[in-house]
Amino acid sequence: KAGVTQTPRYLIKTRGQQVTLSCSPISGHRSVSWYQQTPGQGLQFLFEYFSETQRNKGNFPGRFSGRQFSNSRSEMNVSTLELGDSALYLCASSLSGRVDEQFFGPGTRLTVL
Amino acid sequence: AQTVTQSQPEMSVQEAETVTLSCTYDTSESDYYLFWYKQPPSRQMILVIRQEAYKQQNATENRFSVNFQKAAKSFSLKISDSQLGDAAMYFCAYRSADNDMRFGAGTRLTVKP
Repeated sequence: KAGVTQTPRYLIKTRGQQVTLSCSPISGHRSVSWYQQTPGQGLQFLFEYFSETQRNKGNFPGRFSGRQFSNSRSEMNVSTLELGDSALYLCASSLSGRVDEQFFGPGTRLTVL
Repeated sequence: AQTVTQSQPEMSVQEAETVTLSCTYDTSESDYYLFWYKQPPSRQMILVIRQEAYKQQNATENRFSVNFQKAAKSFSLKISDSQLGDAAMYFCAYRSADNDMRFGAGTRLTVKP
């Protein structure tokens, strides 16, 4: 069974631009969660999608948004990029998201210049 | 809000020895799950072990075991017979019944040959 895949793996953007990151969950998994990892703030939960609906949301500004498609693939979008958005963005999938094990993707390293 | 605290930013262990990583959490809920994740230099998060709060028996996975003290809100990870491949960042995580996920700041484990 293929693992969680994230594209692209690396991304360089400039301030003010927007970016879209993609996550393909493990086949059969319906829950996709997104996390931001930085040296200063550690791992922070962004949001979780289940069956195309945002089920949970962390404490991030509205510039961070996401969506999930009918095939469970998910995208997250960051608009008006700031230097502080530079981070490793991790996606994790699970069967239903409630108490199931989360499987993480390799992450997308975003650098904002 | 739930918080997860890992008080040891760094730990070191000699190969073949045993090491214990500490984790405490704060919650008012009775139903939750606790996890230890490993993040090696390759950056992909890997689940090490998980514990359901309603289970009194401590979880064990091969060389990895936990000491779950629900009343004390403590969830430590013991790694026996440490191997060079165990070197990584270890994150303690809390997941509530409504899927709110919180991570600790992490403990960097070094294994000395």
